Amino acid sequence: SYVLTQPPSVSVAPGQTAWITCGASNIGGYSVHWYQQKADQAPVLVIYFDTDRPSGIPERFSGSNSGNTATLTISRVEVGDEADYYCQVWDSSSDHAVFGGGTKLTVL
Amino acid sequence: QVQLQESGPGLVKPSQTLSLTCTVSGGSISSAGYYWSWIRQFPGKGLEWIGYISSSGTTYYNPSLKSLITISVDTSENQFSLSVSSVTAADTAVYYCARAARLAGLSYFDYWGQGTLVTVSS
Repeated sequence: SYVLTQPPSVSVAPGQTAWITCGASNIGGYSVHWYQQKADQAPVLVIYFDTDRPSGIPERFSGSNSGNTATLTISRVEVGDEADYYCQVWDSSSDHAVFGGGTKLTVL
Repeated sequence: QVQLQESGPGLVKPSQTLSLTCTVSGGSISSAGYYWSWIRQFPGKGLEWIGYISSSGTTYYNPSLKSLITISVDTSENQFSLSVSSVTAADTAVYYCARAARLAGLSYFDYWGQGTLVTVSS
């Protein structure tokens, strides 16, 4: 089974840039999607197909994917960005979705 | 704006069957290119995809759960449902229904319900 590895936590000051990584063997060969989950809420899609943003998601959110690491970048971080972030891929070999373990973003 | 709402018992006894229903509003469950999903989140926060179904009844299940789960769809009611048999305490989780876009055999989840907590306990 394909395993996605995320750091448990990332901390950043307001106004700075946060990088949240998602690691796996040859993840660059997969399409990666990212979700934001604020406390006591359902996840929200923030990036799909590596780099695309759904309507309503600020341009401050961007994604990249190459080699063994996909990255969600949040520029000019705001207090309201504090949340858990999850990466997800579709494992075509067995036709099922795989989620990373999640990263808690703390805005200091 | 598509909305999804889970419903079902919040408490299930061990060895019994967990049954949940998701009602879709603001759009048709028969819309092309979408699958209707169940995802759960354990108390430790990890997300696990359970499976999904198309409006025509085509299903895909998580291989690790396949023998225990059934997902069905009722297009006349704009609903889909989940059954998990022989539950144990390890099935205690928040259960989400979600819409999945399926493009070129790949999927992501663009709309989610608010989630419902199901506790397995005697």
